[in-house]
Amino acid sequence: TQLLEQSPQFLSIQEGENLTVYCNSSSVFSSLQWYRQEPGEGPVLLVTVVTGGEVKKLKRLTFQFGDARKDSSLHITAAQPGDTGLYLCAGGGGADDYKLSFGAGTTVTVRA
Amino acid sequence: SQTIHQWPATLVQPVGSPLSLECTVEGTSNPNLYWYRQAAGRGLQLLFYSVGIGQISSEVPQNLSASRPQDRQFILSSKKLLLSDSGFYLCAWSWGGPDTQYFGPGTRLTVL
Repeated sequence: TQLLEQSPQFLSIQEGENLTVYCNSSSVFSSLQWYRQEPGEGPVLLVTVVTGGEVKKLKRLTFQFGDARKDSSLHITAAQPGDTGLYLCAGGGGADDYKLSFGAGTTVTVRA
Repeated sequence: SQTIHQWPATLVQPVGSPLSLECTVEGTSNPNLYWYRQAAGRGLQLLFYSVGIGQISSEVPQNLSASRPQDRQFILSSKKLLLSDSGFYLCAWSWGGPDTQYFGPGTRLTVL
């Protein structure tokens, strides 16, 4: 089983501040996904990164895939209360071709 | 466009009773289908996945089972529920590989 470790587990910040969530593994993944989940709902895909060193931007969100494809980060600039949620990273393309390995998640709370 | 449905949305069942959760996908053919369970505010535990009709791979030995009677239908079942079966059950689909999975709205199961 390939493990993905997310840090921090919880993050509470004031509106307007920046935040970064990390996703690390000792395994190499061919792709990495980030999801956001709100209470009582299914996770919603934010981005998929597939190339080592790749950086993708989605409005105020910046996603980076490590050069060695073992780690990733999610950076949010000027966080808003609507960014509140559980952020999950997931890695694919490892030894188990049909499965994703999910991190335990980071709960982000943005206070107004 | 593709959509994924799960029902019921919530379910309260007594210990020892049977269970049947259904998931259907529209707008695609031959999807990979997945059942996950999620503890409150935490990551996803893969229970079963299927790459085709009648093909089921089990990840966690337990009193749950899954079936795929049709291409776009995935069912999670139990003959006798345990207290520990309570949780948030999510169905997901992908096409081709496991990357980029799309999740349903989930079913909240409470076993009393």
